Amino acid sequence: KAGVTQTPRYLIKTRGQQVTLSCSPISGHRSVSWYQQTPGQGLQFLFEYFSETQRNKGNFPGRFSGRQFSNSRSEMNVSTLELGDSALYLCASSPTGENGEKLFFGSGTQLSVL
Amino acid sequence: AQSVTQPDIHITVSEGASLELRCNYSYGATPYLFWYVQSPGQGLQLLLKYFSGDTLVQGIKGFEAEFKRSQSSFNLRKPSVHWSDAAEYFCAVGARGGATNKLIFGTGTLLAVQP
Repeated sequence: KAGVTQTPRYLIKTRGQQVTLSCSPISGHRSVSWYQQTPGQGLQFLFEYFSETQRNKGNFPGRFSGRQFSNSRSEMNVSTLELGDSALYLCASSPTGENGEKLFFGSGTQLSVL
Repeated sequence: AQSVTQPDIHITVSEGASLELRCNYSYGATPYLFWYVQSPGQGLQLLLKYFSGDTLVQGIKGFEAEFKRSQSSFNLRKPSVHWSDAAEYFCAVGARGGATNKLIFGTGTLLAVQP
């Protein structure tokens, strides 16, 4: 069974641009969560989707958005990029919608903003 | 507010020595508790979790953790460290009974293993 796939693996953008990151969950998983990982802040929860509905959102500005498609694949978008958006963005999928007990993480997308 | 504290940013141990990584949490009730490991350039892998029952839980790769309600702690231990255990370790809490997979993570402990 394939794991959680995140594309692209690396991304370089400049300030003011926008970016879209993709996450393909494990087959059969309906829940997708996104996290931002930085050396200073650690892992911060961005948002969570379950069956195409956003159920939970972290404390990030509106420049960060996401969506989930009917096949459970998810995308997150960051508009008007800032230097501080440079981070590893991790996606996690789960077959269930609760408790965080069956989360499987992808290897992440490393975003560098210049 | 819910939070997780990992007091040790870096720890260095010798191969074969024992290991204990500390984790303290702040939560209104007994949360679900997790330990994850992250190797360089990789995602997170679940080591073990505590939901209920026996407060000493066993995980993969020879790790164990003990939940102590009175101390709000969930420390990770391993009796004999291997060089391949060098990685970053994250403690996390999840909401009990909530319809969410949201986890709150500590800032991590970077483990170095000396030969």
